[in-house]
Amino acid sequence: GQNIDQPTEMTATEGAIVQINCTYQTSGFNGLFWYQQHAGEAPTFLSYNVLDGLEEKGRFSSFLSRSKGYSYLLLKELQMKDSASYLCAVRDSNYQLIWGAGTKLIIKP
Amino acid sequence: GAVVSQHPSRVICKSGTSVKIECRSLDFQATTMFWYRQFPKQSLMLMATSNEGSKATYEQGVEKDKFLINHASLTLSTLTVTSAHPEDSSFYICSARPPDRDSETQYFGPGTRLLVL
Repeated sequence: GQNIDQPTEMTATEGAIVQINCTYQTSGFNGLFWYQQHAGEAPTFLSYNVLDGLEEKGRFSSFLSRSKGYSYLLLKELQMKDSASYLCAVRDSNYQLIWGAGTKLIIKP
Repeated sequence: GAVVSQHPSRVICKSGTSVKIECRSLDFQATTMFWYRQFPKQSLMLMATSNEGSKATYEQGVEKDKFLINHASLTLSTLTVTSAHPEDSSFYICSARPPDRDSETQYFGPGTRLLVL
């Protein structure tokens, strides 16, 4: 079966750095996505990785290792507004998005 | 980035009535749209994939006669929840994918919160 694992909840301090991990087992791979979802709102796109390595976009970076079936989202200089759920999703060989359950990130002052 | 709208944003209805939710891609043509449902504190659950001009593909466990999907044009898909019941109360989100299937992302609408009394 297809499976995406990410931690249920993480807590971090304002101004610090946090890494949210995602491991996946899917039938084929055509890219990995990270989305941010604030409570009561639809997800918004953060990043896309299809090749191994690190993609940096401002305070957010995303890393992919296809051989390990592993990705992480790195958030730097955390702000209170970063408190949200972070969803990892993998596009499989049928170009279907397989979703993780999301990681709820709590930022404390 | 591309814009997807959803209407209504919030709806309250009585049990047994039907509710229609519209999803529009405003600045691109979407041959494929997706309908998701999300219960509180849970992840997105794909309900169906809507393809313009053809029948929707439903995920296992989703009743196609209860959740009617019509993708009549390249910019509009509708989801009708028929004979709604309180357990259908949820957050319904649509997304649209640009024609290039290797596109980096699909774009989400703002969601529709349905409350069935």
